[in-house]
Amino acid sequence: QVQLEQSGAEVKKPGASVKVSCKTSGYTFTDYHLHWVRQAPGQGLEYMGWIYPKDGGTNYAQHFQGRVTMTSDASISTAYMELTSLRSDDTAVYYCVRETWFYANWGQGTLVTVSS
Amino acid sequence: DIVMTQSPDSLAVSLGARATIHCKSSQSVFHSSTSTHHLAWYQQKAGQPPKLLIYGASTRESGVPDRFSGSGSGTDFSLTISSLQAEDVSVYYCQQYHSLPRTFGQGTKVEIK
Repeated sequence: QVQLEQSGAEVKKPGASVKVSCKTSGYTFTDYHLHWVRQAPGQGLEYMGWIYPKDGGTNYAQHFQGRVTMTSDASISTAYMELTSLRSDDTAVYYCVRETWFYANWGQGTLVTVSS
Repeated sequence: DIVMTQSPDSLAVSLGARATIHCKSSQSVFHSSTSTHHLAWYQQKAGQPPKLLIYGASTRESGVPDRFSGSGSGTDFSLTISSLQAEDVSVYYCQQYHSLPRTFGQGTKVEIK
């Protein structure tokens, strides 16, 4: 079965960077876009962008342009999302999601807390 | 960007009663390549990632109880829970996957009256 296993919770100071990993299994990693979505505490869902592991192509939401980088390593079926210049309002749970048009398969989420 | 607007923001329904959530998109989400509306519904319980319930506006995901149904077309859609069960207490989100950026409604919290 399809599984997406994310890295553990992180605590960062304002201005720092964070890199979240998403290890996948149960499907051909390079055949599907991998999206990232975040959710601030008590808030809704916010699309961040995607990476296509077959060719490394990316698309980033305008809100995150210049601060986010999505990468992948097909040899270990793992995708990464790095967010720089962290602010307190980046405190959120970050999800990786396998896209099949819609979002059928989600990672368990990674809580990133930004606090001085 | 396509704006997704849900109503109501919260809903309290008696056990066994019907619950209906509405979702309106700022433009059509009908996709000619698939001849379907690219509209999905998700259920999110506290502390868990969202779970796909409905895609294509009305197709139930495998394993989803048949008390959940989706309907609508054009820019107006709805999710109905025909007989609310205790385990249905959750926040429900609609999402358009017609175009980038993918966008979600603000969520509707469903509780037991």
